[in-house]
Parts: sequence; structure tokens; C-alpha cells
Amino acid sequence: KQEVTQIPAALSVPEGENLVLNCSFTDSAIYNLQWFRQDPGKGLTSLLLIQSSQREQTSGRLNASLDKSSGRSTLYIAASQPGDSATYLCAAAGGTSYGKLTFGQGTILTVHP
Amino acid sequence: DGGITQSPKYLFRKEGQNVTLSCEQNLNHDAMYWYRQDPGQGLRLIYYSQIVNDFQKGDIAEGYSVSREKKESFPLTVTSAQKNPTAFYLCASSIMASGPNEQFFGPGTRLTVL
Repeated sequence: KQEVTQIPAALSVPEGENLVLNCSFTDSAIYNLQWFRQDPGKGLTSLLLIQSSQREQTSGRLNASLDKSSGRSTLYIAASQPGDSATYLCAAAGGTSYGKLTFGQGTILTVHP
Repeated sequence: DGGITQSPKYLFRKEGQNVTLSCEQNLNHDAMYWYRQDPGQGLRLIYYSQIVNDFQKGDIAEGYSVSREKKESFPLTVTSAQKNPTAFYLCASSIMASGPNEQFFGPGTRLTVL
């Protein structure tokens, strides 16, 4: 059974700092790994999706990497801003006949001015 | 605008009542999903549907039921058999259920049992 863990559970940084969020998964037989952002009381916004054959994806100030062999993914946020404050969730899509996502518990990020 | 809509945003239920949460998408996606989110926890899959008139149980289907009569709609009914229904419910869709497809989420419905 796939298990996904995110570290740290919470992170508080000053504006402008570069930061890394970590995600680990126990079963390396994944289709892809998605990173999401969730604002309080809102739905999930997809940030990046890395296919199992890829090693990284970039979108603006965000860069996500994937190392299937070690069961790890990282989300790198450059030059953080207060507007980046949110909960960040990673989810691994399993190798079954459907794209079931197994979610981590999330990292709560606070960027203070 | 293409997207996923969920209604209502907030829902209150009395003990013993069944309630239905709406999920509609205009993305022409084949697959739709229902997740439950509890405070401090990740999302857990309740039900999913790969195609019209077909759906499968997820990890926590007990006390819930769904239907998929139209491609655009995937309503979730929370029955009185669900012992602890207070949670945030999220609907999602993807182009297809199989393969490396991105899932897109609606804004959620917060259900509270009085």
C-alpha cells in the first residue's frame, strides 16, 4: 500500500528566502507525482505534475524534482513571497488501472514580510 | 470558463439525514473522483468513476453512495450510515482514469453534522 509523507509539517520563512518542501513515497511504481497548493477553506490548485519518466518540472519560481529510486520528490520555491503562504500537498498516482492519488498530509507554509 | 463546480459551499445535516453533494464539470473529462479531507490529514478517496454508468469504491466508501448518469455530473450522497460525516469534500476530474493524467479539483463542500 502506497504511503506518502511530507516533511516538514509546517515551515515559516522570511520573504525572499529560497525553500524546499519534501515528499517521500514508499512504492516507486508510480505513474506520476503531483504537487498542489491549497488555501484555507479552498479546493486544490495543481502546481506541477511530474511523469514517472521525468526528473523535474518547472513553472515560474517553482521547480519540482522526482527520484523514483529513492522514493522522493522535492518542491523548490525561489524567492518566496507572502502570497506563497498556503498548504502544499504532494500526491502519488499509483500503477493500478486508474489514476488513484495517494496524498501526503501537507506542509503549511507561512512567508512573512 | 472550463472547470469544476461544487454545491453547496456549506451544508448542515441533522443526525439520521441523507444529503447529496453536487459536482459538475465542463472539461469533457471521462473520470471523476470524490475525496474527503479531515483537519490535519491528507485527502482520502471515497469513490471514483472512469466512465458514465460505472463507478468504483475507493478507500473509505462505507456510508456513501454515488451515481454517474451523465458525463458532466457525479453527485455524492452521504447517508445516515456514515458515522462521522463532518469533513471537507472535494470533487476532482481527469481526462481519463488510467495513465498519467492530471487531476483537477473543485472548490469543495464543507459538511457539518448538527
